[in-house]
Amino acid sequence: AQKVTQAQTEISVVEKEDVTLDCVYETRDTTYYLFWYKQPPSGELVFLIRRNSFDEQNEISGRYSWNFQKSTSSFNFTITASQVVDSAVYFCALSEIKAAGNKLTFGGGTRVLVKP
Amino acid sequence: DAGVIQSPRHEVTEMGQEVTLRCKPISGHDYLFWYRQTMMRGLELLIYFNNNVPIDDSGMPEDRFSAKMPNASFSTLKIQPSEPRDSAVYFCASRTWDWNTEAFFGQGTRLTVV
Repeated sequence: AQKVTQAQTEISVVEKEDVTLDCVYETRDTTYYLFWYKQPPSGELVFLIRRNSFDEQNEISGRYSWNFQKSTSSFNFTITASQVVDSAVYFCALSEIKAAGNKLTFGGGTRVLVKP
Repeated sequence: DAGVIQSPRHEVTEMGQEVTLRCKPISGHDYLFWYRQTMMRGLELLIYFNNNVPIDDSGMPEDRFSAKMPNASFSTLKIQPSEPRDSAVYFCASRTWDWNTEAFFGQGTRLTVV
């Protein structure tokens, strides 16, 4: 069975602080994909990044960065110099190819509140 | 492409009534997913289709829920009869056959059953 755990339910920071969101996953498959989505207060789900299980290279995109570590089954997400517009719920998701037939399973989400 | 289109955006209905939610996936996408989002249970996968065929409906809560995909450009999620505990936001998403791609989500349908 696949499982995604986001232990932090809510994080509150002051603008310009860095914030790191944790994601731990469980899978028996060797081929899988990991995703981060953002859900702003308006409610839509916005894709941020994907990573496949063979690519452990970390990535930076503007103020966003991701740290993928297979050894600890973690795919953490950092927002650097946070802004009020970053306030949203962030979801980590797992797509397991063989065992789960490519379905996308989400973690419980982490609500980020950035105060001015 | 206009993205994944869901209708209606909001639905208020009385307990016991039938509710039908609609989804138009992105053209050319092979997979279609229905999710339900609540505060208590988060984002739950209800059912998903591949090339119009239901692959996994293990997330459908009970027999009151049914989903169909009569063609590649249209899917419905029906609740009959509806109950107050069905109140949630229902999302439809689609993606291509390429596993190294993300799923694109519709704007969601906020369902309130009174």
